[in-house]
Amino acid sequence: DGGITQSPKYLFRKEGQNVTLSCEQNLNHDAMYWYRQDPGQGLRLIYYSQIVNDFQKGDIAEGYSVSREKKESFPLTVTSAQKNPTAFYLCASSPRYRQGSNEQYFGPGTRLTVT
Amino acid sequence: LAKTTQPISMDSYEGQEVNITCSHNNIATNDYITWYQQFPSQGPRFIIQGYKTKVTNEVASLFIPADRKSSTLSLPRVSLSDSDVYYCLVGDIISNFGNEKLTFGTGTRLTIIP
Repeated sequence: DGGITQSPKYLFRKEGQNVTLSCEQNLNHDAMYWYRQDPGQGLRLIYYSQIVNDFQKGDIAEGYSVSREKKESFPLTVTSAQKNPTAFYLCASSPRYRQGSNEQYFGPGTRLTVT
Repeated sequence: LAKTTQPISMDSYEGQEVNITCSHNNIATNDYITWYQQFPSQGPRFIIQGYKTKVTNEVASLFIPADRKSSTLSLPRVSLSDSDVYYCLVGDIISNFGNEKLTFGTGTRLTIIP
């Protein structure tokens, strides 16, 4: 986890509510990412941002939204449109983009449960 | 990310050296090979990255043959705490976006036996 913090560690919400997951980094990294991990599965990319005020959809962006107003922060909102929001959410960051390189540093994750 | 293939699981005894091999037949010229370790209910941890030949750090070694179509992560003298999932990734997310198995797959689950 190093210089990446995610809060809270556990989050419970009722179905139909939007919820925002926090991700902050003090590594001065340019790029930030959000992943979702389901039990026994690998990580799937939700959104990524290479620079402030810019972000791109990943494989499973539907039902999620993000913002990147500051270099240090990349919050993820899980909206009520997300059909299966219960999952383990991981935020990561990496230094300036280098083609062919995948060197990311992850936060501790937030486990979201929606009932 | 170039598609990778690694064993679903491996067992090893405590104190032994463990080698986990990853196949990546369609690796691109600019692609690096990166390995991560994931503890249960935690984010993956970057272990090592290499482009060719051999890379070593305080945690592991990474062996890459000349054709770069495979790589082997070597963990010296494993302990019970090394029982985790290990992911092999090739290339970067952005330039290979949209490919099958773009991001982290299911990795290799390593079980260390006392």
